[in-house]
Amino acid sequence: DTEVTQTPKHLVMGMTNKKSLKCEQHMGHRAMYWYKQKAKKPPELMFVYSYEKLSINESVPSRFSPECPNSSLLNLHLHALQPEDSALYLCASSHRQGIGTGELFFGEGSRLTVL
Amino acid sequence: GQQVMQIPQYQHVQEGEDFTTYCNSSTTLSNIQWYKQRPGGHPVFLIQLVKSGEVKKQKRLTFQFGEAKKNSSLHITATQTTDVGTYFCAGPGNQFYFGTGTSLTVIP
Repeated sequence: DTEVTQTPKHLVMGMTNKKSLKCEQHMGHRAMYWYKQKAKKPPELMFVYSYEKLSINESVPSRFSPECPNSSLLNLHLHALQPEDSALYLCASSHRQGIGTGELFFGEGSRLTVL
Repeated sequence: GQQVMQIPQYQHVQEGEDFTTYCNSSTTLSNIQWYKQRPGGHPVFLIQLVKSGEVKKQKRLTFQFGEAKKNSSLHITATQTTDVGTYFCAGPGNQFYFGTGTSLTVIP
């Protein structure tokens, strides 16, 4: 079992839809991350939030919009996606931002299919 | 983002054989972490290495950090079917950028 909870586990959406992915952790972690993972590829960093502020945006298209309402929650708002955006979206958290501050805890992911 | 290369990309072994994956960076790594992702699962933290030349063991798994802190390796002794999955290193520097991964298949 993971201590990072992601919903929904599966999502199918059309290119004109608006949907959101949600992530929650109650470990007191102050850094939260969104990764995108295509089949047989490594997780690809999208966004990093540190103390509820966007710290890193890895040149992600604006059709992906992250939001961190509080220290426990992380959302990824999706709008006008393309079929190539179909992937597993992983949320993760760590004690603080930065690889030296401890491990990443991942959620089980949200598998997104864009039709 | 940064890119850390891993070799091999795929490895098939007979159960009981040893397995090694290597992680290589063109830049010095301040520290490095290893993760395992089972098929259909999410990455799970295995270990963190910080010191030059550091060696850490977890049962049948041995992790090593190179003296120049530009490479790392994971060695599994006498593989079991439970070792199946993709092994990623994560680094370098201050962000959690994942290496390209090595997918391990263990043939019973």
